Amino acid sequence: EPEVTQTPSHQVTQMGQEVILRCVPISNHLYFYWYRQILGQKVEFLVSFYNNEISEKSEIFDDQFSVERPDGSNFTLKIRSTKLEDSAMYFCASSLPGLNYGYTFGSGTRLTVV
Amino acid sequence: LAKTTQPISMDSYEGQEVNITCSHNNIATNDYITWYQQFPSQGPRFIIQGYKTKVTNEVASLFIPADRKSSTLSLPRVSLSDTAVYYCLVGLGDSGYSTLTFGKGTMLLVSP
Repeated sequence: EPEVTQTPSHQVTQMGQEVILRCVPISNHLYFYWYRQILGQKVEFLVSFYNNEISEKSEIFDDQFSVERPDGSNFTLKIRSTKLEDSAMYFCASSLPGLNYGYTFGSGTRLTVV
Repeated sequence: LAKTTQPISMDSYEGQEVNITCSHNNIATNDYITWYQQFPSQGPRFIIQGYKTKVTNEVASLFIPADRKSSTLSLPRVSLSDTAVYYCLVGLGDSGYSTLTFGKGTMLLVSP
């Protein structure tokens, strides 16, 4: 079964540092997403990406965040100047257009900001 | 986006059938109902999706009444490994893409 792959699985960074979270979506998927889940809380939407541009973003996705698809396979989330409250699980997902396809999520990157 | 309401938690025993009901009174005409499962420290996993009546796959069944204001996820003969959080989501209409809005979900605990 095709998978969405995320690296690293766990990242610890110091407050104020920049981090890049990496994702390899399923190869024939066209829509890409980042979600996050703070420990014990809901899964929250950050951003969606289609045709090499952001389709939609939430209030959480401020100027501190950026996404990029640098090549045909990777999809990255960059967090500039991390804050303690950025500590969370970050999930990448991808999907096909159409009515009967759910999202496929990756296993996540646990980001810990110290 | 249609708001969903589902029980915060449910308990069951191995081998039993579990039914989790979700209310979505404001569902739109072109909205689909989708259920996801999430294990601790893992991403949500798509289980099943439906529009009306009944949908069945190898994992679960989804029952949707004619008014579509609610839906029931049915898990036959649960095992310990079915312990997880189950989310009911409404959306993914005919635009082919929709932001998923997760609620708190239902924490299902399966005991021996």
